[in-house]
Amino acid sequence: DAKTTQPPSMDCAEGRAANLPCNHSTISGNEYVYWYRQIHSQGPQYIIHGLKNNETNEMDSLIITEDRKSSTLILPHATLRDTAVYYCIVRVTSGNTPLVFGKGTRLSVIA
Amino acid sequence: DAGVTQSPTHLIKTRGQQVTLRCSPKSGHDTVSWYQQALGQGPQFIFQYYEEEERQRGNFPDRFSGHQFPNYSSELNVNALLLGDSALYLCASSFGTGGPGDIQYFGAGTRLSVL
Repeated sequence: DAKTTQPPSMDCAEGRAANLPCNHSTISGNEYVYWYRQIHSQGPQYIIHGLKNNETNEMDSLIITEDRKSSTLILPHATLRDTAVYYCIVRVTSGNTPLVFGKGTRLSVIA
Repeated sequence: DAGVTQSPTHLIKTRGQQVTLRCSPKSGHDTVSWYQQALGQGPQFIFQYYEEEERQRGNFPDRFSGHQFPNYSSELNVNALLLGDSALYLCASSFGTGGPGDIQYFGAGTRLSVL
């Protein structure tokens, strides 16, 4: 079973920031938080991952709380192309462990 | 640099038939994982291949089997198809190191419909 809890859906106005929350209250010390995005009928796309520090890539940011029990993926300027299902996954760092997906959050970006 | 490629894109089979799906990993990757995604659900892990061996397996019956070739490409075989096997089948590739930076990259998937 997935170790994360996400809201089933969210709406965001185009050009505004989208803040996608994820709860992982049972996360272990050796587990990272990963985020993937899945646009309709395509395979999941890797976005970002982190352990305990905030992480940023060219497009998005990952904020992990100090107790590591929750995190937020931030899309600073959402576009219509960001409409997708977003999955938050916790994963141990040792071994080539599989990804355990929940149902994710369906983000709808509205013009 | 080609990413993960899967074939065919779509497939229609009838109950009881057998099917083979194919996956070519991203250049430089040596590990292939297969996932099944039913409509409205997140992907579920089927199994993983590394060095031509099944390394890990999820909760799927023996009707699901696979193979990895020396060039790291992989096949997923499903025997005695059931209606419930209708799903999007996803292949993901990665390096075999297993560290936190070992990212799994997914193909676009094969949509299997069992009638």
